[in-house]
Amino acid sequence: DQQVKQNSPSLSVQEGRISILNCDYTNSMFDYFLWYKKYPAEGPTFLISISSIKDKNEDGRFTVFLNKSAKHLSLHIVPSQPGDSAVYFCAAISGSARQLTFGSGTQLTVLP
Amino acid sequence: GAGVSQTPSNKVTEKGKYVELRCDPISGHTALYWYRQSLGQGPEFLIYFQGTGAADDSGLPNDRFFAVRPEGSVSTLKIQRTERGDSAVYLCASSFTTENTGELFFGEGSRLTVL
Repeated sequence: DQQVKQNSPSLSVQEGRISILNCDYTNSMFDYFLWYKKYPAEGPTFLISISSIKDKNEDGRFTVFLNKSAKHLSLHIVPSQPGDSAVYFCAAISGSARQLTFGSGTQLTVLP
Repeated sequence: GAGVSQTPSNKVTEKGKYVELRCDPISGHTALYWYRQSLGQGPEFLIYFQGTGAADDSGLPNDRFFAVRPEGSVSTLKIQRTERGDSAVYLCASSFTTENTGELFFGEGSRLTVL
């Protein structure tokens, strides 16, 4: 069963506009939710995270929102830049285990 | 370099052969992880080391897969009698272990192709 789901395999956005990437999860025991970014032929790079006790975390152009009642989180990138074009993975972890559970990723393309 | 280093970057082998994939974590990171990423999927957990011992190997798919970290630094993932379904990118990651927040530092991966 997929505990973390990213239902949009791809997203295209115009430069300067907002990018919104979505993620749903099923496991209420997750303590932290994270977004990783991956360029081709590179490993995933940590981008931003949020604790399950918060509903928003902001870091520069990146904001993650968590809606626990809906078991949904989203990543907002504003303004979007061509260098943001990458695959974005949503991931989650529970405090009792060390394993990250990843979604299948969303390919973001920011058009100049 | 200062990052997680994985070798080889690419490995092509024949079905039934044995392969070893190596990971050199960031200096000082006591936690080391192996993940596997198949085409079109996110990384899937294989095994986690705390120091020299495997603290969680629940993600290893079967007994053909084994990993070691004898001195608490470099780790080797070993796959016996490879099958075509083992073809994937094998990712290694490391982290400090003071907090379990999921922030890992990944290497570039070893792409394994089993013909």
